[in-house]
Amino acid sequence: DQQVKQNSPSLSVQEGRISILNCDYTNSMFDYFLWYKKYPAEGPTFLISISSIKDKNEDGRFTVFLNKSAKHLSLHIVPSQPGDSAVYFCAASALGEGAQKLVFGQGTRLTINP
Amino acid sequence: DTAVSQTPKYLVTQMGNDKSIKCEQNLGHDTMYWYKQDSKKFLKIMFSYNNKELIINETVPNRFSPKSPDKAHLNLHINSLELGDSAVYFCASSQGPTLNYGYTFGSGTRLTVV
Repeated sequence: DQQVKQNSPSLSVQEGRISILNCDYTNSMFDYFLWYKKYPAEGPTFLISISSIKDKNEDGRFTVFLNKSAKHLSLHIVPSQPGDSAVYFCAASALGEGAQKLVFGQGTRLTINP
Repeated sequence: DTAVSQTPKYLVTQMGNDKSIKCEQNLGHDTMYWYKQDSKKFLKIMFSYNNKELIINETVPNRFSPKSPDKAHLNLHINSLELGDSAVYFCASSQGPTLNYGYTFGSGTRLTVV
């Protein structure tokens, strides 16, 4: 039973436009969410996070939105650049546990077209 | 200078063999993890060690045995390899066992069992 789902395996966006990546979760105990970016043959690298006390967190071109009632979060990248082409993983966890683990979605491959 | 390094990067082996994957981090982190990326691309936690002590042990066959000789190393030994063990295995580390600290991932080890 996958608790974190990214239902779009791939997304193609034109350079300069907005990229929107979506993520849904089922476990209501999750209260901390992260996005990771992964290039081929490399490990995932941390991009941006949000805790459940917020509904938006912004870092430069990247903004994460959290809708707790819908158990949905999204990552907005604007403007999209060719270097943003990568696989993006959504991850979630529950703060307050003694040892925390990240539960990942299956990733969305983002391709930015020139 | 690689922060979290895994060896080997690729491993092809026959069913029934025993193999090890090594992981080392030079970040001074206290906590290390093994994640498995399965055929459906989900990243799932297998083990976590904090200061050489096992703190997370997910439902993993006991053919998989992690070993942490010191805080900078977490190796994964797999006995009697099966076809279903084919996956990409990622090592990661964090400064502590809570999500106040980010995860740094290695670049992965692609294991193929034939």
